[in-house]
Amino acid sequence: RKEVEQDPGPFNVPEGATVAFNCTYSNSASQSFFWYRQDCRKEPKLLMSVYSSGNEDGRFTAQLNRASQYISLLIRDSKLSDSATYLCVVNISPNFGNEKLTFGTGTRLTIIP
Amino acid sequence: NAGVMQNPRHLVRRRGQEARLRCSPVKGHSHVYWYRQLPEEGLKFMVYLQKENIIDESGMPKERFSAEFPKEGPSILRIQQVVRGDSAAYFCASSPRPSGGEYNEQFFGPGTRLTVL
Repeated sequence: RKEVEQDPGPFNVPEGATVAFNCTYSNSASQSFFWYRQDCRKEPKLLMSVYSSGNEDGRFTAQLNRASQYISLLIRDSKLSDSATYLCVVNISPNFGNEKLTFGTGTRLTIIP
Repeated sequence: NAGVMQNPRHLVRRRGQEARLRCSPVKGHSHVYWYRQLPEEGLKFMVYLQKENIIDESGMPKERFSAEFPKEGPSILRIQQVVRGDSAAYFCASSPRPSGGEYNEQFFGPGTRLTVL
């Protein structure tokens, strides 16, 4: 079983729609959770951290369910510029200070005009 | 305010040659991470370094790969006797010194795309 699993997509959704991505992780000792965004042939960029209480940043909402080892990302009112690959990322390092990140393979999203 | 810099951006090598990838972290960052992304796959952790120390190299292949982060100068990822399977994008990330156990965001460089002929 992969340490971090995501639906690879692709997700093709019309502009303005709401889209949701899911991710599961296998290591219950995981400490920190993130969504990164990667544009084609570019470096990953942090989109948002994911907290147990759930958190929102503009049109983006992230949720974490530690009991189910499940992370989600919701994008509302999608824009053409949201087209990218979304990476679910987990820090499973046992020691704080060693922020070794484990990446999912990513979910490809294309927003259609 | 330069971010993480990597060079070269593209590197072509023939089988058996050596590849040297360089990474200059964000100014003031003392932690460097190297990740590899094979075609159509996710990023995989390779090694975590602080100045003059390798902290975690659990993701490094046992042979041909080495990394360093000297007191002065960039971090270097070195691949000896490259093979076709080494073709990938190699990303470097840096973060500041952790404080109080809080997560510090890793800032990624643009990557070096290595092609082995």
